[in-house]
Amino acid sequence: DQQVKQNSPSLSVQEGRISILNCDYTNSMFDYFLWYKKYPAEGPTFLISISSIKDKNEDGRFTVFLNKSAKHLSLHIVPSQPGDSAVYFCAASPIRLIQGAQKLVFGQGTRLTINP
Amino acid sequence: NAGVTQTPKFQVLKTGQSMTLQCAQDMNHEYMSWYRQDPGMGLRLIHYSVGAGITDQGEVPNGYNVSRSTTEDFPLRLLSAAPSQTSVYFCASRVGGTLSGANVLTFGAGSRLTVL
Repeated sequence: DQQVKQNSPSLSVQEGRISILNCDYTNSMFDYFLWYKKYPAEGPTFLISISSIKDKNEDGRFTVFLNKSAKHLSLHIVPSQPGDSAVYFCAASPIRLIQGAQKLVFGQGTRLTINP
Repeated sequence: NAGVTQTPKFQVLKTGQSMTLQCAQDMNHEYMSWYRQDPGMGLRLIHYSVGAGITDQGEVPNGYNVSRSTTEDFPLRLLSAAPSQTSVYFCASRVGGTLSGANVLTFGAGSRLTVL
């Protein structure tokens, strides 16, 4: 039972254009969402997060949008750069729950390739 | 500041052998966890610990054992390796308490395990 789903295994975008990575979740108790970026042979690194009390969070070229009614979030990268080529993982946690707050559930990942 | 250090980086085992994946962090983080990454499955939580002497199961705990005798170390033991445990293993840590934009998981570089 995949509670966090990234339905696109891969995405290819031209340098300078917008990259949009999507993530869907099924557990209505999730109220905190994160995106991690992973390069080959390295561990994932934190990119950006959003709480369920917001619908948008921006950090430089990266913006995360949250649509609670659709249980959907997306990561926008504008403009896309070659260094953005990596695997991106969406993750979610029910931080209101004492036990659940300790568990971060990840999606399958989307491999983003930025073409020059 | 080394962050999260995992050893070994690569290991090949035969079915039935046991081994320990080591994880150490030097950030005085209360929370530590182990994930495994498999193609198409994303990162799945194996075990986690909210402090020395306290451990709990994640999503896929079977076949793995953990202990937390110190704040710094969180080893993962494979009791009797099986081919299904072939995977890349990531250790991660963060400050204790609620997940937030400032309190996110820091991952190690990973340990690639092959069980023949």
